[in-house]
Amino acid sequence: AQTVTQSQPEMSVQEAETVTLSCTYDTSESDYYLFWYKQPPSRQMILVIRQEAYKQQNATENRFSVNFQKAAKSFSLKISDSQLGDAAMYFCAYARETSGSRLTFGEGTQLTVNP
Amino acid sequence: NAGVTQTPKFQVLKTGQSMTLQCAQDMNHEYMSWYRQDPGMGLRLIHYSVGAGITDQGEVPNGYNVSRSTTEDFPLRLLSAAPSQTSVYFCASRPGHISGNTIYFGEGSWLTVV
Repeated sequence: AQTVTQSQPEMSVQEAETVTLSCTYDTSESDYYLFWYKQPPSRQMILVIRQEAYKQQNATENRFSVNFQKAAKSFSLKISDSQLGDAAMYFCAYARETSGSRLTFGEGTQLTVNP
Repeated sequence: NAGVTQTPKFQVLKTGQSMTLQCAQDMNHEYMSWYRQDPGMGLRLIHYSVGAGITDQGEVPNGYNVSRSTTEDFPLRLLSAAPSQTSVYFCASRPGHISGNTIYFGEGSWLTVV
């Protein structure tokens, strides 16, 4: 079974600074997808960024980028120029190529942004 | 475009009562699934469906039933509510014909069992 591990229950960053959230996963599959979701206090699940395992290039979405290390099974999220609105719970998630809408989530990292 | 709609948003149940959480999507998505989120944890898969008439169990299916009679609807039934089922429930969907496409989540249903 696939597992996703987020080893940082809490992180904090100063506004305008950069922070990196860690995620490792375990799978025997070669084709899969990795995601970072943001969950504010409203509990809404917001997709931040997605990475296809077959792509060597790291995904980037504005201030958000990932460091995808397939051999090491590592998928970290870097948030640049942190803003107060980035404060939330962040979840790393994994999905097999053929898994439909079945995701395996990590336990989350609570990010605090200090003004 | 309503996306994924969950009802009710909040519900309090007594132990032993049954109820149905409704999930509807208007995007003609083939894949739908239900998750629960307990305090301090990530979402865990309860049941999922790859199309009308097809359902299967996820990681934590005990105490829940699902059916998929139409593409649009995927209700989750709690057969006999227990305090351990107090949680936030999320429904999700995505198209089946495009691999890796965005998974859409509903806004969640907060359930308390007393």
